[in-house]
Amino acid sequence: SAVISQKPSRDICQRGTSLTIQCQVDSQVTMMFWYRQQPGQSLTLIATANQGSEATYESGFVIDKFPISRPNLTFSTLTVSNMSPEDSSIYLCSVGEDWEQYFGPGTRLTVT
Amino acid sequence: GDSVTQMEGPVTLSEEAFLTINCTYTATGYPSLFWYVQYPGEGLQLLLKATKADDKGSNKGFEATYRKETTSFHLEKGSVQVSDSAVYFCALYNDYKLSFGAGTTVTVRA
Repeated sequence: SAVISQKPSRDICQRGTSLTIQCQVDSQVTMMFWYRQQPGQSLTLIATANQGSEATYESGFVIDKFPISRPNLTFSTLTVSNMSPEDSSIYLCSVGEDWEQYFGPGTRLTVT
Repeated sequence: GDSVTQMEGPVTLSEEAFLTINCTYTATGYPSLFWYVQYPGEGLQLLLKATKADDKGSNKGFEATYRKETTSFHLEKGSVQVSDSAVYFCALYNDYKLSFGAGTTVTVRA
């Protein structure tokens, strides 16, 4: 298993600003994933981030809105850009292969 | 596309009560099915899994059986404890992606 930490754990931001969420893993991993959980809804995959290549975004998510960096095998960032209240969600990173994924504690974002 | 539907919460129980959380799914092919649990302040953890029809996953007193005929994977525990208070997510893995239900919040009172 892997131990994953995320920063910040929560934040309140004003609309129009951007927030960068960090994800740190205690071991080297190939695949990292970013999910969003909107209030009362499922987790939705935003993108898959492999070290050394561009992130792959799911339908409905674009790089300009959610740029991702993956500088090494233990770290990734997700930026939520030009935020609106609809971006208020919990953002989670996970690592793993296929179905066997391990999740971070999440970042609770509120946009006012 | 694939989807997972869970019973709505929140669910509040007394200790030693029986817990059932219903989960049904829609998917093509033969997905693998999971229950994840998120305890307060912690990340999602895999609770149990089943990879084919009629498989029963079990862990920490929880059980779920993969029912292909009813496309269901209901979670059960015969006697809950306060420490079982958490959010429970049903999920499926298919076509290289995990799809989650909305989650069910369970609170167990002493």
